[in-house]
Amino acid sequence: QVQLVQSGSELKKPGASVKVSCKASGYTFTNYALNWVRQAPGQGLEWMGWIHTKTGNPTYAQGFTGRFVFSLDTSVSTAYLQISSLKAEDTAVYFCARGQTTNYYASGYWGQGTLVTVSS
Amino acid sequence: QSALTQPASVSGSPGQSITISCTGSSSDVGGYNYVSWYQQHPGNVPKLMIYDVSNRPSGVPDRFSGSKSGNTASLTISGLQTEDEADYYCSSYTSSDTLVFGGGTKLTVL
Repeated sequence: QVQLVQSGSELKKPGASVKVSCKASGYTFTNYALNWVRQAPGQGLEWMGWIHTKTGNPTYAQGFTGRFVFSLDTSVSTAYLQISSLKAEDTAVYFCARGQTTNYYASGYWGQGTLVTVSS
Repeated sequence: QSALTQPASVSGSPGQSITISCTGSSSDVGGYNYVSWYQQHPGNVPKLMIYDVSNRPSGVPDRFSGSKSGNTASLTISGLQTEDEADYYCSSYTSSDTLVFGGGTKLTVL
């Protein structure tokens, strides 16, 4: 069955960096797009962007350019989200989510989420 | 890209039907048949309930249905059950080749 397993919670200081992993199994990794979604505490879902798993080409939503980087290691069916120069407002749960079909427009499978806490 | 507009809350009694609206523009909801709906119980992962306006993924009860008219999409839940109490989010593809979510709607089953 399709599974997306994310790395564990992180506690970081402001200014540090974090790298969240999302390991896929149960399907051909490069056949489906991967979205990244943020959910701040008590807030709604926010689309961060997506990555084309065949080409590695990322697309970032407004507000997620510069400090946010999506990457892949297709040899281990894993996607990564790296956030640099962390700020307190980056505190959130970060989800990876696989496209329901071959495009990225709907996410049918989700990782369990990774809580990133930024605090001094 | 501004978030899609959803009512903050809706409520209904068991067995009733409710509808949650999701209003955008001709650049998103109105321009494409790529509206999705997600259900999220507190502390849980979002679950896809509807995609491409009205398609249900395997395993989603047919009590859940989606539709669209102009710039507004709707999620209808018929035969409301207590386990339907959750937050619901719509999302849409946009003319900028991006996605945008709605602000979310809290459904209370009285």
